[in-house]
Amino acid sequence: DGGITQSPKYLFRKEGQNVTLSCEQNLNHDAMYWYRQDPGQGLRLIYYSQIVNDFQKGDIAEGYSVSREKKESFPLTVTSAQKNPTAFYLCASSIDHGQGRGSGEQFFGPGTRLTVL
Amino acid sequence: EDQVTQSPEALRLQEGESSSLNCSYTVSGLRGLFWYRQDPGKGPEFLFTLYSAGEEKEKERLKATLTKKESFLHITAPKPEDSATYLCAVQAVTQGAQKLVFGQGTRLTINP
Repeated sequence: DGGITQSPKYLFRKEGQNVTLSCEQNLNHDAMYWYRQDPGQGLRLIYYSQIVNDFQKGDIAEGYSVSREKKESFPLTVTSAQKNPTAFYLCASSIDHGQGRGSGEQFFGPGTRLTVL
Repeated sequence: EDQVTQSPEALRLQEGESSSLNCSYTVSGLRGLFWYRQDPGKGPEFLFTLYSAGEEKEKERLKATLTKKESFLHITAPKPEDSATYLCAVQAVTQGAQKLVFGQGTRLTINP
């Protein structure tokens, strides 16, 4: 089955720790994204990548880092510099048609809920 | 600044009671508008894409429509399994090729 997987489903972090959230897709999509979702708020973009070995900051990149060494994988590291990391993290992917129609549809993974202890 | 506002924040309906959810947007140039369904503790599930004013899409009891300023998600004769949060997002010409701006969602509850 084609899809996006995220692991772990639940993650607990102690103060001062870095943690890494995994995102893998087998949809052969070029573009991948990380969002953060807080209660009562819309999804906010953390980082995105349109091609291997390249990524761009989203609206709330401070305290986060990413890598894109393989097309299938886009891990997110939540660093100790992120002061309020407790949230639901969502990974998504889309076909990159460049500027054309149909390039905007993003498909989401099941999410990782991160809690700071 | 591109912006998406959804209303109402929450809506409770009786089974079979039809209604509509609203998504108002302000963008410098709309490339596409997207509707998603999200169940508690899960990732959003893609429903529809609309590209131009006047366009309509349907899926089972859901119908999405688009004007130049807003989109509606019409729910006809809903069932309890339609209970979820419905998210609206826009892709703007001024944004990067795939950047979406999301609304805060409408939490829909259908009572049996």
